[in-house]
Amino acid sequence: AQSVTQLDSQVPVFEEAPVELRCNYSSSVSVYLFWYVQYPNQGLQLLLKYLSGSTLVKGINGFEAEFKKSETSFHLTKPSAHMSDAAEYFCAVSHPGGSNYKLTFGKGTLLTVNP
Amino acid sequence: GAGVSQSPSNKVTEKGKDVELRCDPISGHTALYWYRQSLGQGLEFLIYFQGNSAPDKSGLPSDRFSAERTGGSVSTLTIQRTQQEDSAVYLCASSQGRERTTEAFFGQGTRLTVV
Repeated sequence: AQSVTQLDSQVPVFEEAPVELRCNYSSSVSVYLFWYVQYPNQGLQLLLKYLSGSTLVKGINGFEAEFKKSETSFHLTKPSAHMSDAAEYFCAVSHPGGSNYKLTFGKGTLLTVNP
Repeated sequence: GAGVSQSPSNKVTEKGKDVELRCDPISGHTALYWYRQSLGQGLEFLIYFQGNSAPDKSGLPSDRFSAERTGGSVSTLTIQRTQQEDSAVYLCASSQGRERTTEAFFGQGTRLTVV
């Protein structure tokens, strides 16, 4: 079975400070990895995804994430936070093979940006 | 439609009543998910439909919860004899499923309040 752990339920940062949201996964097979963002009172939207190839993935709004298989991690980073980045962020995992393509989500990390 | 559509967007019901929540997935998407998002609880998986396969119901919290997907398209989540702890935002998502990337597209959710 696969699982996702988002180590921080809330991460406060100052505007223009760097952001790191942590995600670790547990799986015995190869994985696809995703980060989703949820702005207040909205549904989730895809921020970026890792399927194969380059382990450094760039997404929208200046975010990027690096897949580190040896550490089973897929941390989300951004060099400089904007006020508009305040939202909840969800890491998710699925498997490229087999019969079950179900996405498994972490509990989410609330990013707050202070002026 | 262009995206996943959920209705109603808000629902207030009395404790003990039954409710039905509807999801219209993106046309052609074979996979459909229901999730529940409660304050402080993150994203809780409820049920997963993939094509004509038997649904994965492992996330349904009790036998008061059921879901069906008619004709491989529209899905209805039914909660019988609602309780106050059922109050949450119910999110539906769809994806292309097999042979494709498993990126999921989310609806805006239905906010259920049980009074």
